[in-house]
Amino acid sequence: QKEVEQDPGPLSVPEGAIVSLNCTYSNSAFQYCMWYRQYSRKGPELLMYTYSSGNKEDGRFTAQVDKSSKYISLFIRDSQPSDSATYLCAMTFTGGGNKLTFGTGTQLKVEL
Amino acid sequence: GAGVSQSPSNKVTEKGKDVELRCDPISGHTALYWYRQSLGQGLEFLIYFQGNSAPDKSGLPSDRFSAERTGGSVSTLTIQRTQQEDSAVYLCASSPTSGRAGTGELFFGEGSRLTVL
Repeated sequence: QKEVEQDPGPLSVPEGAIVSLNCTYSNSAFQYCMWYRQYSRKGPELLMYTYSSGNKEDGRFTAQVDKSSKYISLFIRDSQPSDSATYLCAMTFTGGGNKLTFGTGTQLKVEL
Repeated sequence: GAGVSQSPSNKVTEKGKDVELRCDPISGHTALYWYRQSLGQGLEFLIYFQGNSAPDKSGLPSDRFSAERTGGSVSTLTIQRTQQEDSAVYLCASSPTSGRAGTGELFFGEGSRLTVL
């Protein structure tokens, strides 16, 4: 079992939809979780990070952590075609130093 | 430039040949990472450099892989005797010490796409 699991998709939604992207993790020593966005043939870029249970909002994006279920989510409101990309969850765990463990990424397409 | 720079952007090589991939991190960033991204596999950690500390090599898949970081800046990832399974995009990232390094604020380059025939 991978330390961080993510459904690879692809996920296709109409413009304006609310998108839910999810990851599960197996290591209880959770420190931080991050969401990265990666456009085709580009490097990932950091969208959001959080370290506590609950929700964190930034514009149209909300990151949610449920430590009891070992479940993290990223919600995108009012999705736009420009949101079409691969979304990667990444986590750090106590004892892992600064090493980020990534999920496989979910490919999202927002259609007009 | 302002971002992480990687070269070459594309490399096609024959099985058994050695390759070198270069990374120029953002000026002033002391942490440098190499990751490998294969189709459907996500990002796989390879190696991490932090300042003058010994690198964390725990992700290197075999002894054919090595990396150096000279002068705390430029890094080179070397793959000897390449195999077809080494084909992937090799991503370099840097992170500032005073920034949110512990929170994973990595700044990635665009990667070097390696194809081994």
